[in-house]
Amino acid sequence: AQSVAQPEDQVNVAEGNPLTVKCTYSVSGNPYLFWYVQYPNRGLQFLLKYITGDNLVKGSYGFEAEFNKSQTSFHLKKPSALVSDSALYFCAVRDYNQGGKLIFGQGTELSVKP
Amino acid sequence: KAGVTQTPRYLIKTRGQQVTLSCSPISGHRSVSWYQQTPGQGLQFLFEYFSETQRNKGNFPGRFSGRQFSNSRSEMNVSTLELGDSALYLCASSLETGTGELFFGEGSRLTVL
Repeated sequence: AQSVAQPEDQVNVAEGNPLTVKCTYSVSGNPYLFWYVQYPNRGLQFLLKYITGDNLVKGSYGFEAEFNKSQTSFHLKKPSALVSDSALYFCAVRDYNQGGKLIFGQGTELSVKP
Repeated sequence: KAGVTQTPRYLIKTRGQQVTLSCSPISGHRSVSWYQQTPGQGLQFLFEYFSETQRNKGNFPGRFSGRQFSNSRSEMNVSTLELGDSALYLCASSLETGTGELFFGEGSRLTVL
């Protein structure tokens, strides 16, 4: 079965510093990968996706993600963190062995301190 | 363009009752998926509907059911509520089934007492 793993429950970053939220995947075939963000008491907001093409994907709010096939990773990055980036981040993969449903990682809580 | 709308946003029920949650997808989107979010289990897939047909189903008991109407609006129902059904229920829509990104609503937070 397809899966994604987010090895860190929480990431702490100082405002202005670069941030990385890690995600590794396990899929058979080509991976369709996504990042979502969730603010408190809100739904999930789509940030970016990798389907094919360039390994560096740019998304909303200045976020980008790097697809690395050899390391089976899809880490989310931002050059300069903002306090307002503090939220819960989810990595996800489309599972085409099970009808294409989106399978989510457990989430990483990002905290950006001033 | 309006986003995904879920109603009600909050509700409280007691064990044994049933609940119906509603979801209106983004205009033009024909696929609707439902997820359950809890602190312990994270985001769990419930089911997906496309053109009024259930296309995919997660590993939930038969107490959880859903349907989709001809205008793509969807409802999910949970019967004989249990304490463990307390969760945030998220609806998401997409243009087609099994492709691309999902667009989520704000969720319906169900508390079972």
